[in-house]
Amino acid sequence: EVQLQESGGGLVQPGGSLRLSCAASGFRFSSYEMRWVRQAPGKGLEWVSGISGSGGTRNYANSVRGRFIISRDSSTNTVYLQMNSLRGEDTALYYCARRTAGSVDAFDFWGQGTMVTVSS
Amino acid sequence: DIQMTQSPSSLSASVGDRVTITCRASQSISTYLNWYQQRPGKAPKLLIYAASSLQSGVPTRFSGSGSGTDFTLTISGLQPEDFATYYCQQYYDSLLTFGGGTKAEIK
Repeated sequence: EVQLQESGGGLVQPGGSLRLSCAASGFRFSSYEMRWVRQAPGKGLEWVSGISGSGGTRNYANSVRGRFIISRDSSTNTVYLQMNSLRGEDTALYYCARRTAGSVDAFDFWGQGTMVTVSS
Repeated sequence: DIQMTQSPSSLSASVGDRVTITCRASQSISTYLNWYQQRPGKAPKLLIYAASSLQSGVPTRFSGSGSGTDFTLTISGLQPEDFATYYCQQYYDSLLTFGGGTKAEIK
């Protein structure tokens, strides 16, 4: 059974940093691109970042490029999101998600999310 | 970025109704379009991929159609568990984007 479990969320001041983690299990981790998607309170979904199975390719939304860094550790089947220079508009529930295998680019499994609140 | 616009933003329907949700892309995206369902307090769930293919385990009352810039998600015979928010998502561009969502509520 595929499982994704996020952790690391919390309250942080503007300009601060936070690192999110996503522990994956139930599938061959190194074969799948992993992503982060966020959802501000009462709002819609926003793709944040993705990292290829090898870790060699990383993509970022324009809204976080230069501030967030995605990484992964195949020895622990964990994907990370290092968030720096945090702003109020980064306040959201952050989901970890798996990209589908193959040519269709969708999110087929999701975690339950970890909440990040940026406030003074 | 490719903008995805959904309509309506909310709808009110009864159990058994046929419901159609529309998603429009700001440029042609062929059939690179997915649909998700999000129930309150839960993570999104993939329903339809590549505009019209049903994800494994999803009831056949859900269907998708469209290509280019205009797409629809249809629920034929709304069930109580279908009252949720629905999102479209394009993957024509590597900068993935979602629609703003359509909330389906009980009439």
